[in-house]
Amino acid sequence: DAKTTQPPSMDCAEGRAANLPCNHSTISGNEYVYWYRQIHSQGPQYIIHGLKNNETNEMASLIITEDRKSSTLILPHATLRDTAVYYCIVRVATLQGAQKLVFGQGTRLTINP
Amino acid sequence: SQTIHQWPATLVQPVGSPLSLECTVEGTSNPNLYWYRQAAGRGLQLLFYSVGIGQISSEVPQNLSASRPQDRQFILSSKKLLLSDSGFYLCAWAWTVDQPQHFGDGTRLSIL
Repeated sequence: DAKTTQPPSMDCAEGRAANLPCNHSTISGNEYVYWYRQIHSQGPQYIIHGLKNNETNEMASLIITEDRKSSTLILPHATLRDTAVYYCIVRVATLQGAQKLVFGQGTRLTINP
Repeated sequence: SQTIHQWPATLVQPVGSPLSLECTVEGTSNPNLYWYRQAAGRGLQLLFYSVGIGQISSEVPQNLSASRPQDRQFILSSKKLLLSDSGFYLCAWAWTVDQPQHFGDGTRLSIL
């Protein structure tokens, strides 16, 4: 199973871009990188995912390095509501085809006013 | 749009009592369904998943079982709860194996 490494915590000022790094040096060629976040006492929320190309949606942008060994999640204009634990996950396939998401410790992002 | 519902939101049960947690999904058909558990301060652990009615796969041996009696209903059960069953239980759904999983708001289970 591919592992991911994230900083345990980060701070960002409100209105600024929050850049969350993730290392996944053992990722396989067909494994996607997923990002979720979890606000205290709630279920994880899907943010974005990608394989090779950079991706953007209404929530964030995902930048994946050319060698795919690392990625960065960018929240372009962070708000106080973006304070959460952010998880970088490499999808792990189970034997019967249903994907298993392996959540690590994540990065606790705090947005400061 | 699709929505996922879990209930109850919180539950306190004595050791040895039975358990039934329910999860339903609206706005989709034949979804992949998942049960995860999150222990305090730790990541999520996949417990069960289902790719169709009556099809259940277990990831880890444990005191729990799962059933899928209807296409969009996923139930997590136990006959006799243990203290170690405490945790935050999350249900998730996905269109297919290649699509992102979307989680419910979870059930926080405390065993006394």
